[in-house]
Amino acid sequence: EAQVTQNPRYLITVTGKKLTVTCSQNMNHEYMSWYRQDPGLGLRQIYYSMNVEVTDKGDVPEGYKVSRKEKRNFPLILESPSPNQTSLYFCASSFRELRNTEAFFGQGTRLTVV
Amino acid sequence: GNSVTQMEGPVTLSEEAFLTINCTYTATGYPSLFWYVQYPGEGLQLLLKATKADDKGSNKGFEATYRKETTSFHLEKGSVQVSDSAVYFCALGGGFKTIFGAGTRLFVKA
Repeated sequence: EAQVTQNPRYLITVTGKKLTVTCSQNMNHEYMSWYRQDPGLGLRQIYYSMNVEVTDKGDVPEGYKVSRKEKRNFPLILESPSPNQTSLYFCASSFRELRNTEAFFGQGTRLTVV
Repeated sequence: GNSVTQMEGPVTLSEEAFLTINCTYTATGYPSLFWYVQYPGEGLQLLLKATKADDKGSNKGFEATYRKETTSFHLEKGSVQVSDSAVYFCALGGGFKTIFGAGTRLFVKA
């Protein structure tokens, strides 16, 4: 089954404790992205990757890191989480062609930083 | 820059009522337009799309028409069901360049 898998689904952590949210896709997509979803703000892109070892900042990259060592994986790293990073996070992937191309989303990771 | 504006929610309807969720966009060129749906506890999934002016996308009884003259892509359904309760996102672009609206939450009462 074609899917994007994120882990964990729920995470509560304390300020400053490094964490990683994993994302994996099995559709051989070139593009992968991370978004955060906050009430009234919709989805905002954090980082995206066009292919292995190619990443770039989205609209709200501060406080986040990513890596793309393999085509299927695109982990999101919070080196020193803060309460303003409490949010619902989604990983998405898509094929290379931009136009007409739908994005496939994971089920989301609800992060709470206390 | 490109942007999407959709009506604020929540929208509350009774079962079998007619649904319209407004979406307008600002864009250079001729982007593709999408509606995504997010059911409770799940990620977003594509509901329908249109790739050029006057195209109509349709799926599961929902439809939307790409109107270049009014820069709109309103979502409609003739008779909603309780199972349609979800958050609906209008989006433009495609792939990693997709720009999403803020989302509109729909509640359908039995």
